[in-house]
Amino acid sequence: DTEVTQTPKHLVMGMTNKKSLKCEQHMGHRAMYWYKQKAKKPPELMFVYSYEKLSINESVPSRFSPECPNSSLLNLHLHALQPEDSALYLCASSLGQGAEAFFGQGTRLTVV
Amino acid sequence: QQQVKQSPQSLIVQKGGISIINCAYENTAFDYFPWYQQFPGKGPALLIAIRPDVSEKKEGRFTISFNKSAKQFSLHIMDSQPGDSATYFCAASEDGFGNEKLTFGTGTRLTIIP
Repeated sequence: DTEVTQTPKHLVMGMTNKKSLKCEQHMGHRAMYWYKQKAKKPPELMFVYSYEKLSINESVPSRFSPECPNSSLLNLHLHALQPEDSALYLCASSLGQGAEAFFGQGTRLTVV
Repeated sequence: QQQVKQSPQSLIVQKGGISIINCAYENTAFDYFPWYQQFPGKGPALLIAIRPDVSEKKEGRFTISFNKSAKQFSLHIMDSQPGDSATYFCAASEDGFGNEKLTFGTGTRLTIIP
């Protein structure tokens, strides 16, 4: 199983809503990531979890809050987002230490 | 500060031809260089990757050439097919516990025409 599963696939939310994105992998990977991707741009790293601990936060606004409940799950909690936060949010995982990263299909988020 | 520069931005190649995409990096601590293929509406998928201890790696129609002294690497797609039409991203990362982040190039939109 080399799959990273993200839910939901699409999400529309208002600026006052609270929502969560979910990511799951069962490959035994110890590093998990959140990326944000705008149209025609490369993925931008947001957060890295290594062994369930937050190891990298790329100065992401506090309206994005990551959570790693266990080694297989990664959540991204969203609150008070802005329209400019609309993007494809990608989850990825890797064995760690620069090993190959597997990406999920992404959640297409629209903030209205 | 962009640490991985990718060119060209877009590329049109005839079916059966060779597609070549180039990347250059600045950080000499990078030691892992993957290429990702992304179709519209999908997440990036790892295509092929190389480490600096080899100068070339081939997997089927895809080849990475790596020049450590020049800090450059490139992707060659032989016998390009319409199904190869996608956006390609080069990337680089440093080895080391807790520092597994990928730095992506800006992407190349490849179109294979019949």
